[in-house]
Amino acid sequence: EADIYQTPRYLVIGTGKKITLECSQTMGHDKMYWYQQDPGMELHLIHYSYGVNSTEKGDLSSESTVSRIRTEHFPLTLESARPSHTSQYLCASSGQGAQPQHFGDGTRLSIL
Amino acid sequence: AQSVTQPDIHITVSEGASLELRCNYSYGATPYLFWYVQSPGQGLQLLLKYFSGDTLVQGIKGFEAEFKRSQSSFNLRKPSVHWSDAAEYFCAVGSTPGSQGNLIFGKGTKLSVKP
Repeated sequence: EADIYQTPRYLVIGTGKKITLECSQTMGHDKMYWYQQDPGMELHLIHYSYGVNSTEKGDLSSESTVSRIRTEHFPLTLESARPSHTSQYLCASSGQGAQPQHFGDGTRLSIL
Repeated sequence: AQSVTQPDIHITVSEGASLELRCNYSYGATPYLFWYVQSPGQGLQLLLKYFSGDTLVQGIKGFEAEFKRSQSSFNLRKPSVHWSDAAEYFCAVGSTPGSQGNLIFGKGTKLSVKP
């Protein structure tokens, strides 16, 4: 069973607030990912990291930023939330090579 | 460029009936293929994966998938569907190790199960 945790599970917050979505994994995986998923839709990769101090933008442009200071931790930050940021955000991690990605349960974000 | 197509947006089957969810991929070399399942409000759970070898892959929860290179397909099957199988199913393709593990996901197929 994968050990990857996302907090909070749900967040409803007003426009203009700074938000940090947390993602932690205990598997020692070097690679971590953030996806954005609207209800009933496909996953879009917005950020990924291949290891500490490595971050890259994904296929879908996002106003969010990420950091990777520790192997196990990959937080995503929105400096000023807007209603267009309302979505579900999924974090994942994987081991060396083309290994499967293990997913957290997601954060469902609603910006009022 | 890699791509994944799941032609069926929504499928409804009766409980106990067999199931096949279609997945076609586009990739020049040997792909790494995955099927994931997502229950409402949850993350994705890996059902099975294909890297090489036997083209018929067994997964969890009684699912299997068959890799057919000639058809660029990786269809998911289950002989007898249970009501708890109702969920969204995603097919994904990863390229050879040089890609560092990034996956391309299909748009998903929603499975409904009727009693």
